[in-house]
Amino acid sequence: QVQLVESGGGVVQPGRSLRLSCAASGFIFSSYAMHWVRQAPGKGLEWVAVISNDGSNKYYADSVKGRFTISRDYSKNTLYLQMNSLRAEDTAVYFCAREDTYGYAAATWGQGALVTVSS
Amino acid sequence: DIQMTQSPSSVSASVRDRVTITCRASQGISSWLAWYQQKPGKAPKLLIYAASSLQSGVPSRFSGSGSGTDFTLTISSLQPEDFATYYCQQANSFSWTFGQGTKVEIK
Repeated sequence: QVQLVESGGGVVQPGRSLRLSCAASGFIFSSYAMHWVRQAPGKGLEWVAVISNDGSNKYYADSVKGRFTISRDYSKNTLYLQMNSLRAEDTAVYFCAREDTYGYAAATWGQGALVTVSS
Repeated sequence: DIQMTQSPSSVSASVRDRVTITCRASQGISSWLAWYQQKPGKAPKLLIYAASSLQSGVPSRFSGSGSGTDFTLTISSLQPEDFATYYCQQANSFSWTFGQGTKVEIK
């Protein structure tokens, strides 16, 4: 079945780096744009980044631009989010999501990975 | 950037009530609007895409309408499992924007 599984979350000190992974299965990974969305504790959903199906286009929220990098590995069917210069306000659950071609929304989400930035 | 404004931020309702949530875009987004339901500790669940198309497996009591800048999610007869937070999301541009959410609570 179609599935996304995140990993790589944890506790990290401010200013340090962390890389999240999102393993995709059950669909043709190279056919879909992929997104990262985050949710700070008790807050709403915040879009973070998107990468096109072929990896040629990447866009970021202003809040993470220059610090986060989205990428994908087709040989491993895996999406990544490299997070550098982390701040306390980056503390959140990070979800990966597959963008469906029939409406550009997401019916498929991962379970989420918690990132806590704290000294 | 396109901003999405949802209202109300919360609503208290009873089972079998009709509930309406609105979402306004800061600029026209045609029909590229989706609605999600989220329960605590879970990933969002897609309910409606392209403003009015019901996602497969979603009960027909959920419906969406609107185009341009003004959109509505309606739950025709609220059920116990519908108490949750609902978000709109614009999909007009390559980047997404979510509304701030509407919490549907038990009256």
